[in-house]
Amino acid sequence: GENVEQHPSTLSVQEGDSAVIKCTYSDSASNYFPWYKQELGKRPQLIIDIRSNVGEKKDQRIAVTLNKTAKHFSLHITETQPEDSAVYFCAARYSGGSNYKLTFGKGTLLTVNP
Amino acid sequence: DTGVSQNPRHKITKRGQNVTFRCDPISEHNRLYWYRQTLGQGPEFLTYFQNEAQLEKSRLLSDRFSAERPKGSFSTLEIQRTEQGDSAMYLCASSLLGGTVIRGDTQYFGPGTRLTVL
Repeated sequence: GENVEQHPSTLSVQEGDSAVIKCTYSDSASNYFPWYKQELGKRPQLIIDIRSNVGEKKDQRIAVTLNKTAKHFSLHITETQPEDSAVYFCAARYSGGSNYKLTFGKGTLLTVNP
Repeated sequence: DTGVSQNPRHKITKRGQNVTFRCDPISEHNRLYWYRQTLGQGPEFLTYFQNEAQLEKSRLLSDRFSAERPKGSFSTLEIQRTEQGDSAMYLCASSLLGGTVIRGDTQYFGPGTRLTVL
C-alpha cells in the first residue's frame, strides 16, 4: 500500500519568512496530492491540492510543487503570518481504483513567531 | 451549517462498554469515509461507503468495529467492548464522486469525535 513520509515534524519560523514542508510517497500510481491544515481541536481543512498532470499550483501565499519522477511534493508558504500556525498534513491518493482513500503523512507542526 | 457534522464531539467511556458515533455528510455527497487519528499522527483510513454500500475496510478495523450507512445519508460507527487502545479522534469525511462537479472528489472532514476509554 501507499506510504507517505513528511518532514520536518516541527517547523518554527519568524513572521514574514517562508516555510517549506516536504513529503515523499511510495506508490507511483498515486495521482492526487492534497494538503490539509488542522488547527488545535478543529477539523482538517483542505488548503491546496495538486494532481499528477501538473507540476506546480499556486493560491495566493500557498504553493505546491510535485516531482513525479522523484515521488515527492512540497508545500510552500510565503510571507507567513501567526494565523498560519497549525499542523499541516500531506496526503496521497490513488484514483485509479474504486477506493479514493487518502494516505496521510504524520504532520508538521508549524509555529509562526510574531 | 452545510459542512460535515459529527456527534458526539467527545465521548468518555469505561473499558468494555460499547459506543456509537454518528456522521452526517454534506448533503448529496455519495461517498463517506471514516478515519482514525491518534496524537501526533495523520488520519488513518478505516472504511468507506459509496451510497449505502460499504466497499472497503482497513485491517485496522477489528471485528469489534462496525459501520453502517443505512440510507446512503448519515453513517454510524460502533465500537463494541472498547479497549484503551481505541482512544483516538474518529474523523468522518465525505465527497461527491461523479457528475460534473468540479473537484467533486475532494474530501471534506467533520470536526471528529474524540473517544477516551478509561
